[in-house]
Amino acid sequence: AQTVTQSQPEMSVQEAETVTLSCTYDTSESDYYLFWYKQPPSRQMILVIRQEAYKQQNATENRFSVNFQKAAKSFSLKISDSQLGDAAMYFCAYRRRLGSNYQLIWGAGTKLIIKP
Amino acid sequence: DVKVTQSSRYLVKRTGEKVFLECVQDMDHENMFWYRQDPGLGLRLIYFSYDVKMKEKGDIPEGYSVSREKKERFSLILESASTNQTSMYLCGAADRLYSNQPQHFGDGTRLSIL
Repeated sequence: AQTVTQSQPEMSVQEAETVTLSCTYDTSESDYYLFWYKQPPSRQMILVIRQEAYKQQNATENRFSVNFQKAAKSFSLKISDSQLGDAAMYFCAYRRRLGSNYQLIWGAGTKLIIKP
Repeated sequence: DVKVTQSSRYLVKRTGEKVFLECVQDMDHENMFWYRQDPGLGLRLIYFSYDVKMKEKGDIPEGYSVSREKKERFSLILESASTNQTSMYLCGAADRLYSNQPQHFGDGTRLSIL
């Protein structure tokens, strides 16, 4: 069964510094998608970054980048130059096939605190 | 941008009541989902629907049912609400399987069962 593990319930970082959130997953599939979502307090869950498993190049979106290690089944999120607005719950998700459709498997989340 | 709208941000109901949570999306997506979100557990899938009148059980369907009479609307029903169903409920919508587009979410409904 596919599982997604976020081992850090909470992380804190000084504003302007870099922080890495970890995520590992378990799967027997070879082609899949991975996502990082951000959920600010009392606000909507939004996509931060996605990675397609068949692409070796790590995805990057401005200050957000991933370290995708397919063999190790690791998908960490690096946030550079942390800003106060980055404070949120971050969820890692794996997308698996479910018949002719798909389903997201979610990690438990990491609460990111930004210290001014 | 896809917009997913949940009818209520906060809802308080009593044990035993029948509760309806409504979700509407505006981008003609085939797939719609209902999750509940609890601290330390992430998001757990209750039900999903891949077409009108089609539904599939997720990981925790017990105590819930769903309805999808129109493509844009996906309703979650608590047949007889219980206190252990107090939670945050998130609705999502997504394109077809082979699209790399992510799920889009509503603002969530924080449901309290007294």
